[in-house]
Amino acid sequence: AQTVTQSQPEMSVQEAETVTLSCTYDTSESDYYLFWYKQPPSRQMILVIRQEAYKQQNATENRFSVNFQKAAKSFSLKISDSQLGDAAMYFCAYRPREHQGAQKLVFGQGTRLTINP
Amino acid sequence: SQTIHQWPATLVQPVGSPLSLECTVEGTSNPNLYWYRQAAGRGLQLLFYSIGIDQISSEVPQNLSASRPQDRQFILSSKKLLLSDSGFYLCAWSVLTAGNTIYFGEGSWLTVV
Repeated sequence: AQTVTQSQPEMSVQEAETVTLSCTYDTSESDYYLFWYKQPPSRQMILVIRQEAYKQQNATENRFSVNFQKAAKSFSLKISDSQLGDAAMYFCAYRPREHQGAQKLVFGQGTRLTINP
Repeated sequence: SQTIHQWPATLVQPVGSPLSLECTVEGTSNPNLYWYRQAAGRGLQLLFYSIGIDQISSEVPQNLSASRPQDRQFILSSKKLLLSDSGFYLCAWSVLTAGNTIYFGEGSWLTVV
């Protein structure tokens, strides 16, 4: 079974600085997707970034970027120029590349990110 | 664009009472639909998923059930709530044309007392 591990329960960073959140996963599949979701105090899960395993290029979305190391099964999230609104719980998630049927996400336990003004 | 609505946002129910949480997706057809639960301080657990009307799959045995009476409507129910049913419930959807990425609703807080 696939598993996702986030080894940092909590992280903090000064506003405007850069922070990296770690995520490792375990799978025997060769083709899959990886995601980072953000859960602010409102509790809604918001997609931050998505990476397709067959793509070697790391995904980026404005101040958010990932470091995808397929051989090491590592998928870290880098937040540049941290803002107060980035404070949230961040979840790493995995799902296999299924073309039909439901797409089942496997989540890590989350990392709570605090932004210090 | 697609949107997802989930209600009620907050619910306090006594043990043994019934439950109905509803979720509706707009702006797409034949979505895959999901119910997740998040216990306090923990990650998300997939409870049910559906690939079509009246096609429901359960991931974990529990006191809850799900139904999909219409293409874009997904309902989470219980006949008799337990204390352990308390948590944050999230409905979600995905479609192939949106890259199969899963998008979540606003969530519903359930407290069983």
